[in-house]
Amino acid sequence: DVKVTQSSRYLVKRTGEKVFLECVQDMDHENMFWYRQDPGLGLRLIYFSYDVKMKEKGDIPEGYSVSREKKERFSLILESASTNQTSMYLCASSLARGTAGELFFGEGSRLTVL
Amino acid sequence: GDSVTQMEGPVTLSEEAFLTINCTYTATGYPSLFWYVQYPGEGLQLLLKATKADDKGSNKGFEATYRKETTSFHLEKGSVQVSDSAVYFCALSRGAQKLVFGQGTRLTINP
Repeated sequence: DVKVTQSSRYLVKRTGEKVFLECVQDMDHENMFWYRQDPGLGLRLIYFSYDVKMKEKGDIPEGYSVSREKKERFSLILESASTNQTSMYLCASSLARGTAGELFFGEGSRLTVL
Repeated sequence: GDSVTQMEGPVTLSEEAFLTINCTYTATGYPSLFWYVQYPGEGLQLLLKATKADDKGSNKGFEATYRKETTSFHLEKGSVQVSDSAVYFCALSRGAQKLVFGQGTRLTINP
C-alpha cells in the first residue's frame, strides 16, 4: 500500500516559534507537495518539489520554506509562526512529471498558533 | 488564472437519494479534471478523473463527465449511502501535476 506519513497530527505552537512539519513517502515518488486547507478556500499550494534539493514556489509561499535533502522526505518550515498560519497542512506525493497522475495525500497536520 | 468553483455546501441528503455536486472551471488549454474525497479524519484520496473532453470518470458508483462546452465536471451518484458522507473536492491539473482545487463541498447522508 502506498503511504504518505506526516510526523504530527496535531501541533500547538506560540507566535514567533520555528515550526517543522515533516513528510515521508515510501513509494519512490519524484514529486512532493505541501498544501494548506482552510474552510471555504479548499486546498492551496504552498511549495512543491520535483527532485531532491529542488523546490518551487506554489501559490502562497510567503512565510514558509521547504527542504528536500532526500527523495522520500519533504519538510515544511515556518520560520516564525504567526496566528494566520493556523491551518491544516497536507503533504502529497506523485510518481511522474508532466502527466495527469494521482496525488497521494497524508492524513494532515493540524497546526494551531497561539 | 486557472480556477475551480464548486457548489456551496453543506449538502444533506437521505440515504438512497440522487446526488449532484456541481463543478465548473476556468482554464487555458485542456486541463485534466479530478474529484477527490476526504473522509473524516483522513487525507484526500482520488475518487475519479477525466483527461479529455467527453471522457467519463467513474468509481464506487460515482460518475462525472468532462464537458468542455460548459466547462463543467459535475459529480453524480444515483443512490447515496451513509458511508458517502465526506468532503468532496473538484480539481484541475494545469500541467506537471500542480492541481488547482475548488473550495470543497461537505456531504452528509442521513439514514
